[in-house]
Amino acid sequence: AQSVTQPDIHITVSEGASLELRCNYSYGATPYLFWYVQSPGQGLQLLLKYFSGDTLVQGIKGFEAEFKRSQSSFNLRKPSVHWSDAAEYFCAVAPSGGSYIPTFGRGTSLIVHP
Amino acid sequence: DAMVIQNPRYQVTQFGKPVTLSCSQTLNHNVMYWYQQKSSQAPKLLFHYYDKDFNNEADTPDNFQSRRPNTSFCFLDIRSPGLGDAAMYLCATSRLNLASNEKLFFGSGTQLSVL
Repeated sequence: AQSVTQPDIHITVSEGASLELRCNYSYGATPYLFWYVQSPGQGLQLLLKYFSGDTLVQGIKGFEAEFKRSQSSFNLRKPSVHWSDAAEYFCAVAPSGGSYIPTFGRGTSLIVHP
Repeated sequence: DAMVIQNPRYQVTQFGKPVTLSCSQTLNHNVMYWYQQKSSQAPKLLFHYYDKDFNNEADTPDNFQSRRPNTSFCFLDIRSPGLGDAAMYLCATSRLNLASNEKLFFGSGTQLSVL
């Protein structure tokens, strides 16, 4: 079965600084990978996904993520963080076959200082 | 504009008293999912419906049941809530089984407290 590890429970950055959220996955074949964001009181919203092809994926709100097979990682990045980016970020992995239903990591809480 | 609607936003129930959470969708999606998200933990899939076909996750407790009377509505029934069932319950939908062009649409969740 697939699994996801998000090693950082909280990340604090200053507004305007760059951001990288870490995600490592475990899956025997090439997975489908996702990043979701959850703002307070809201449901999860898809930021971006990787299925195949270019390993650098562009998403909404200026986010990008890079799939690195050799490191089993799918880290999320943003060059300049805005205060509105403060939220919970979830990495997820789905098997590349069958139901494709994602398994989520425990999330990383992003705190943005002015 | 809300596409996946969960009511109520907050639900309080008593230990052992049956409770039902509701989810409705205006997207006409075929698949509906229920996730349980405990504090500081990953959302965990409980079950999902593809149309009327019910798919239960192997480790979902028997205490949790679901009904989908029509395409638009799906209910989560907790027959005898325990303190450990306090969590955020998220409903999600997808047009078809998830594949390269599909994604999950989430509701805002129902926060369940058990007293």
